[in-house]
Parts: sequence; C-alpha cells; structure tokens
Amino acid sequence: EVELVESGGGLVQPGGSLRLSCVASGFNFRKYDMHWVRQVTGKGLEWVSGIGTAGDTKYPGSVKDRFTISRENAKNSVYLQLNSLRVGDTAVYYCARGLREFNFYTMGVWGQGTTVTVSS
Amino acid sequence: QSALTQPASVSGSPGQSVTISCTGTSSDVGDYNLVSWYQKYSGKAPKVIIYEVTERPSGVSNRFSGSKSGNTASLTISGLQPEDEADYYCCSYASSVTLVFGGGTKVTVL
Repeated sequence: EVELVESGGGLVQPGGSLRLSCVASGFNFRKYDMHWVRQVTGKGLEWVSGIGTAGDTKYPGSVKDRFTISRENAKNSVYLQLNSLRVGDTAVYYCARGLREFNFYTMGVWGQGTTVTVSS
Repeated sequence: QSALTQPASVSGSPGQSVTISCTGTSSDVGDYNLVSWYQKYSGKAPKVIIYEVTERPSGVSNRFSGSKSGNTASLTISGLQPEDEADYYCCSYASSVTLVFGGGTKVTVL
C-alpha cells in the first residue's frame, strides 16, 4: 500500500525552528518528486516546497530562505526544515508525492498531515 | 504571486451540474496545460481528481471533468451527489513560483 506518514510537528515559539519528516512506503521513492503543502486553519492550500528526483528544489517567495526541503532516498524520506518561524506559519503541513514517476506538477498521494503551531 | 481566483462557494441540487472557475494569468493557467484540481474534506488530506487540465486519475468518477479557456480553468461536477460536498482547489504551474493554488471553493449540495 502506498503511504506517506508525516511527523515532527508541534508547538514552537516565534523565531524558532522545526524539522518535519515524511516517510514513504509502497513505491519506488527515488523515482518520485515530492512536495510539502500547508493549510492554515480556515484558509486554503498553499504549496511551500518541492524537490525533484535529482534533488533540485523549488520554493515560493513566501518561504524562500526560511524553509529548506531535502530528501534521503536510502531512508525513503523527505524533510522540511522550518526556520525563523512566524505566527503566520501555523498550519497543517502535508507531504505529497507526484502522481506518476518523474511528474512534478501534480500531487497524487498525500499524507495525513502534521500540525505546526507557532505561538509564544 | 497571487493565488488563483476561485468563487468562494457554489451550490446545486442532487443530480444537477455545477461548474467551478479558476482564473489566473498568462503566466500560469493561460500558458501551461498543467492545471490540477483537488477535492478536500474537512480534516482529511486532499485528493487529486483532475490533472493536466482534463485528465482523470484512475478511480475518479467520470462525473468530474476539467476544461480550460484562456486564463480560466474550470471543473464541472455532473450528476451532483451528497458525497460531492467538499472544498475544491485548483492548482497551476506558474513560471514565477512553480506551483500556485486557488483560494478554494466550497461545494454545497442542497
């Protein structure tokens, strides 16, 4: 069964850091592009990072220089390092996989999400 | 990069059809056939129902269909059913930010 399981969320103070992890199973991880998408409570979805099979990374301007996505194929894992966190970064963070091998632009499999709360 | 523009809500009676629009610019929706649509229930993970404007993943009901004209993509739900009541998000490749979502549309089945 194809599955993505996120972990690492929690409560952190403004300015703090957190590292989210996503472990994949049931598919050939190294052949899939991976993403992180977040949803602030009551708001819409926001794409926050993507990483290709070759390790190339992409970010929107809202998180560039604060968030870093990485992958470790040997552990079937993708990570999101969150730095300089702001109250506005409070959200559920989802890990997602490309719909097909080497397909970056459609997110076909999603985890259940991990909650990040930034508050003093 | 602004989010793509979707209506906040649409509604319809069972059996009717509803259409959700997703308006972008010539730098995203208008220039690339890389629009996808996601269905999301509260507290659940999103699910892709349309990709590359018109394609349906395996297992997705053929009551869902997608199209595009100029800078606006559309999702049509035909034969509306109670289980279609959910939030729907469009997403497009955008040359400046790679991927951008719409603000989401709540579909209500009357």
